[in-house]
Amino acid sequence: AQKVTQAQTEISVVEKEDVTLDCVYETRDTTYYLFWYKQPPSGELVFLIRRNSFDEQNEISGRYSWNFQKSTSSFNFTITASQVVDSAVYFCALRMDSSYKLIFGSGTRLLVRP
Amino acid sequence: GAVVSQHPSWVICKSGTSVKIECRSLDFQATTMFWYRQFPKQSLMLMATSNEGSKATYEQGVEKDKFLINHASLTLSTLTVTSAHPEDSSFYICSARGRLGDEQFFGPGTRLTVL
Repeated sequence: AQKVTQAQTEISVVEKEDVTLDCVYETRDTTYYLFWYKQPPSGELVFLIRRNSFDEQNEISGRYSWNFQKSTSSFNFTITASQVVDSAVYFCALRMDSSYKLIFGSGTRLLVRP
Repeated sequence: GAVVSQHPSWVICKSGTSVKIECRSLDFQATTMFWYRQFPKQSLMLMATSNEGSKATYEQGVEKDKFLINHASLTLSTLTVTSAHPEDSSFYICSARGRLGDEQFFGPGTRLTVL
């Protein structure tokens, strides 16, 4: 069975702090894709990143970085120097190569306080 | 590119009425559309997958007769919540996949409140 676990329900940090959102996934497939989405209070999902299972390179995009480790089935997301605008719910998701269905984690609510 | 719209963005209705939500791909042809439901402070749960011109495939536990999905064209899918009840109040989100790619593009969501 496929599953995505985001153990952190809510995180609160002060602006400019770094914060890491954890994501652990389960699958027996060898080919799969991992995603991160941001859902601000407006509700619209914002795509952040997609990673395929064969690409374990870490990625950095501005203040965002992602650490993909197959050995621990984790795909963690770090925001450096957090800003109030980063406050949102962040979802990690998994998709198998054999299907277009996205399996979402339960989400982590991030609150960045000024 | 790859814009998906939903209409309405929010709707309030009385218990027992039916509500139709539209999902449109504005600048690409969507061969597959997905409907998700998100209860407050919860995750997105896939309700059904619809391919243009064929019947939708529903996830386990989702009532086909209650949530009618129609994907009559390559740019439009509709979700009709029939005989809505307060427990159907939720945030409904659609996504669409184009003919050439495997990415899903999400709509802005529709907030349904059933009184």
